Amino acid sequence: AQSVTQLDSHVSVSEGTPVLLRCNYSSSYSPSLFWYVQHPNKGLQLLLKYTSAATLVKGINGFEAEFKKSETSFHLTKPSAHMSDAAEYFCVVLGDTGRRALTFGSGTRLQVQP
Amino acid sequence: EPEVTQTPSHQVTQMGQEVILRCVPISNHLYFYWYRQILGQKVEFLVSFYNNEISEKSEIFDDQFSVERPDGSNFTLKIRSTKLEDSAMYFCASRSLAGGIRLSTDTQYFGPGTRLTVL
Repeated sequence: AQSVTQLDSHVSVSEGTPVLLRCNYSSSYSPSLFWYVQHPNKGLQLLLKYTSAATLVKGINGFEAEFKKSETSFHLTKPSAHMSDAAEYFCVVLGDTGRRALTFGSGTRLQVQP
Repeated sequence: EPEVTQTPSHQVTQMGQEVILRCVPISNHLYFYWYRQILGQKVEFLVSFYNNEISEKSEIFDDQFSVERPDGSNFTLKIRSTKLEDSAMYFCASRSLAGGIRLSTDTQYFGPGTRLTVL
């Protein structure tokens, strides 16, 4: 069965500094991977997705992620954090069974200090 | 931009009562999902629904849960007799069939969630 592990439950950065949110996946097949973001009292918004095309994926709001098969990683990065980036981030893998259900990581809460 | 909506945003109920959580998926989407997130835990898959029937369900989705698409727009989750451990945020999601059923590129779009509190 597929799974994802988010290595940090909390990450704190200063505004204007780089962001790195780490995710490792486990899958017996070539996975489809996603990053979703959840702002307080909001739904889950798709940031970006990897679907076996380019290994470097660009998303919204300046975020990007690189799929590294050799490291089974899909880390999320942003060159310069903004206060509005403070939120909960989820690394997610898509199932390949008929239900196509998503399996979520435990989430990383990003704090951005002024 | 079209979005998934859910009502109510917060539901408080007594243990043993029935609750119905409502979702309006994006209008041209054909696959529907319910997920839940117990406070402090992961988001978990409950059930998927396609062509007016359940496609698959998780171990969590036992006989006290049911889903229905009563009309062309709403998608509901019913919990027949709520328990304290049903307290959670419930998310509805939908996706289109663009590219075919097995295409892994389809994106699930989530609603804002309903926070269910069982007292």
